[in-house]
Amino acid sequence: QKEVEQNSGPLSVPEGAIASLNCTYSDRGSQSFFWYRQYSGKSPELIMFIYSNGDKEDGRFTAQLNKASQYVSLLIRDSQPSDSATYLCAVNILGGFKTIFGAGTRLFVKA
Amino acid sequence: DAGITQSPRHKVTETGTPVTLRCHQTENHRYMYWYRQDPGHGLRLIHYSYGVKDTDKGEVSDGYSVSRSKTEDFLLTLESATSSQTSVYFCAISELQLAGGDNEQFFGPGTRLTVL
Repeated sequence: QKEVEQNSGPLSVPEGAIASLNCTYSDRGSQSFFWYRQYSGKSPELIMFIYSNGDKEDGRFTAQLNKASQYVSLLIRDSQPSDSATYLCAVNILGGFKTIFGAGTRLFVKA
Repeated sequence: DAGITQSPRHKVTETGTPVTLRCHQTENHRYMYWYRQDPGHGLRLIHYSYGVKDTDKGEVSDGYSVSRSKTEDFLLTLESATSSQTSVYFCAISELQLAGGDNEQFFGPGTRLTVL
């Protein structure tokens, strides 16, 4: 079992819709959780991080964490074509020295 | 943008040759990482460093070595390149915040390596 699992997609949503990206992790000791966005041919960039159960909102993005279910999600409201990218879920383990990344979910937002 | 550069940005080499990739940062961050990214696998950690001369292995370290003689430079060496090491290599830096902090990583632009 991979330590961080994501649906590879592609996930296709129409412009203006809500995109929902999901991630599960295996290490119950994980403390910090991240969502990175990566445009084709570019390097990953951080969108959000979360370490408490519940929701965390930042503009059009909401990260959701459920440690009991070992589940992290990212919601993108009012999706725009510029949101089309691969979204990487990442989890800190071993007290933060290592970050394990999922394989990423490709998102397409259709105009 | 965080001050991270990687060199070279593109390299084509032949099987069996040694290759060294360089990561240079101007942020004075303590932690540096080397990842490889392949389709279907996402980012996989090769080696990381938690200080000058302090390094440790990641999940895919076989065939790779690293060195960090200065805070700003982290070198990745493929001792004898193989076709399976064809990949995109990313360097990242972070400044670990203790007690559950965010440990955001900032990534360099990547090096595309092709081993023929």
